[in-house]
This record gives sequence, structure tokens and C-alpha cells, in this order.
Amino acid sequence: EDKVVQSPLSLVVHEGDTVTLNCSYEVTNFRSLLWYKQEKKAPTFLFMLTSSGIEKKSGRLSSILDKKELFSILNITATQTGDSAIYLCAVEGITDKLIFGTGTRLQVFP
Amino acid sequence: DGGITQSPKYLFRKEGQNVTLSCEQNLNHDAMYWYRQDPGQGLRLIYYSQIVNDFQKGDIAEGYSVSREKKESFPLTVTSAQKNPTAFYLCASSPIRTSSAYNEQFFGPGTRLTVL
Repeated sequence: EDKVVQSPLSLVVHEGDTVTLNCSYEVTNFRSLLWYKQEKKAPTFLFMLTSSGIEKKSGRLSSILDKKELFSILNITATQTGDSAIYLCAVEGITDKLIFGTGTRLQVFP
Repeated sequence: DGGITQSPKYLFRKEGQNVTLSCEQNLNHDAMYWYRQDPGQGLRLIYYSQIVNDFQKGDIAEGYSVSREKKESFPLTVTSAQKNPTAFYLCASSPIRTSSAYNEQFFGPGTRLTVL
């Protein structure tokens, strides 16, 4: 059965800290891995990763995929209170469906 | 502005009633999806549709029904057969997948359904 596992489930840090969120997966015929940020309502797209070893970067956020070890990490440097959210990892396999992990709830305190 | 709209934002229902959640998109996307999100859990797929007049069950379709009569609309009905309907419901859409294109899903703002 296809599955996506995120860790940790919850994380509490202070502003300025660097955090690393993990996503491991077992999916038949992997096609892509996506990261979303969910604050109050709609998840918003962060990154899509399809190739191993190529870092995607957007400001203080970066992500990389390891297709051999079947995982991805999302790094956030110099965290701010506005980074507080649930971060969702999703993987697309052979179908058009996305399989989501449970998410990591990040809380950043001043 | 292109996007996905869901209505209502909040919905209260008495036990035994059917309710319909609206999802509309003007992104010209072919595929549309309904997810349910419960506290401490990720998004679980209820139904999805890749083309008008066609849809498939997701992982937790029991107690739900959908229709796809128009490309831009994908309403979800929560029936009285759904035992634990209180949840946050998210609608999403994406362009149809091709052999060379990788497409992310775009999400609506969600509907929070509470059964009283």
C-alpha cells in the first residue's frame, strides 16, 4: 500500500532557528513529490521535486529529494512567526492522485 | 482573478440531513478533487474527476456523492450515511496530467462542516 510519512508531527522553535522537516514515502511508480504550506485554510504550493539531488530554493525555504532512499527534506532557515503552519508532503504515483502525509505542525515563537 | 472557490465557508448540519458543498474553478483545469481533513491527519481523498461526466472514488468515498456536469463545477454531497461528517473539506483542481507535464494541485479555501 502506498504511504507517505512525515516527521516530526509537531515542532516548536524560536524565531531565528533553523528547522528540518522530513518526508519519507513508499509509492508505486513515483512521479513527483510536492510540499505545501497550510496556514488557516487552503494549502499553498511550495515545491515540486522530481529529480534526486537537485535543491529547490525559495527565499529561506529549500527542499531536496533522494529517490534512492525515498525521502525528502524541507529546510527553513532563520524562521519567523509567519512560518507557523502545517507543512504537508504529498507524493504522486502512477495515477493522478496525490497521497498526503499527516503533516508537520510548526510553531515559531518570538 | 483565476482561482477556486468553495461555499459555504462554514456549514452546520443536523444528523440525518444531506448537505451539498460547492466547488467552482475558473482555471480551465480538467481534474478536480475533494479531500477531507481531520485534526492530526493529512488530507484523505474522497472523490476525484478527470473529465466532465466522469469521476472515481477515492480512499474514503462511503457516505459521499459527487457530480461533474460542468468542467468548472464539482459539488460534493455529504449524505446521512456518512457516520462522522464533521471535518474540514478541501476542493482542489489541476490540469490533466500528460506524459511530460508535472502538475501541482491548487486548493480552494475549504468548508468546515459541523454536525450538531
